Amino acid sequence: EVQLLESGGGLVQPGGSLRLSCAASGFTFSSYAMSWVRQAPGKGLEWVSSIRGSDSSTYYADSVKGRFTISRDNSKNTLYLQMNSLRAEDTAVYYCAKARPPGANPLDYWGQGTLVTVSS
Amino acid sequence: EIVLTQSPATLSLSPGERATLSCRASQSVSTYLAWYQQKPGQAPRLLIYDASNRATGIPARFSGSGSGTDFTLTISSLEPEDFAVYYCQQRSNWPITFGQGTRLEIK
Repeated sequence: EVQLLESGGGLVQPGGSLRLSCAASGFTFSSYAMSWVRQAPGKGLEWVSSIRGSDSSTYYADSVKGRFTISRDNSKNTLYLQMNSLRAEDTAVYYCAKARPPGANPLDYWGQGTLVTVSS
Repeated sequence: EIVLTQSPATLSLSPGERATLSCRASQSVSTYLAWYQQKPGQAPRLLIYDASNRATGIPARFSGSGSGTDFTLTISSLEPEDFAVYYCQQRSNWPITFGQGTRLEIK
């Protein structure tokens, strides 16, 4: 059974940093692209970033480019999102999700999400 | 960036009725379009990928159609558990984009 478990969310001040983790199990993690998608309170879904399994190529939304870094540790079956220079508008539930092959999307399995709140 | 526009914003129907949800892209996405369902407090669930293929475990009452810029998600006969928010998503071009969602509510 595929399982994705996010952690690392919490309250952070504007300008601060946070690192999210997503522990994966139930599939061959290194073979699949993974993504982060966020949802601000009461709003719709926003794609944040993706990383391929094959060559770890990365892709970012313009809204986070230069501030967020996606990475993966295939030996630990874990996906990461390093978030720097956080802003109030980054407040959201952050979901990690597994791609349905062969590409980096669509997303066929999702974690339950971790809440990031950026506020002073 | 490809903009996806979903309509209507809210759809009010009764169980047993047919639901038709629309997603229009600002430029062609071929058939690289997916549909997701999200219930309150839950993560999204993949329903349809590549415009018309049902994901694993999705009931046959859900179907998708379209290509290019116009797409439709049809639920043939609504069950009580189908009332939720539905999003379309394109993977034709980076950045990946989602529509703003259609809320399907019980009439």
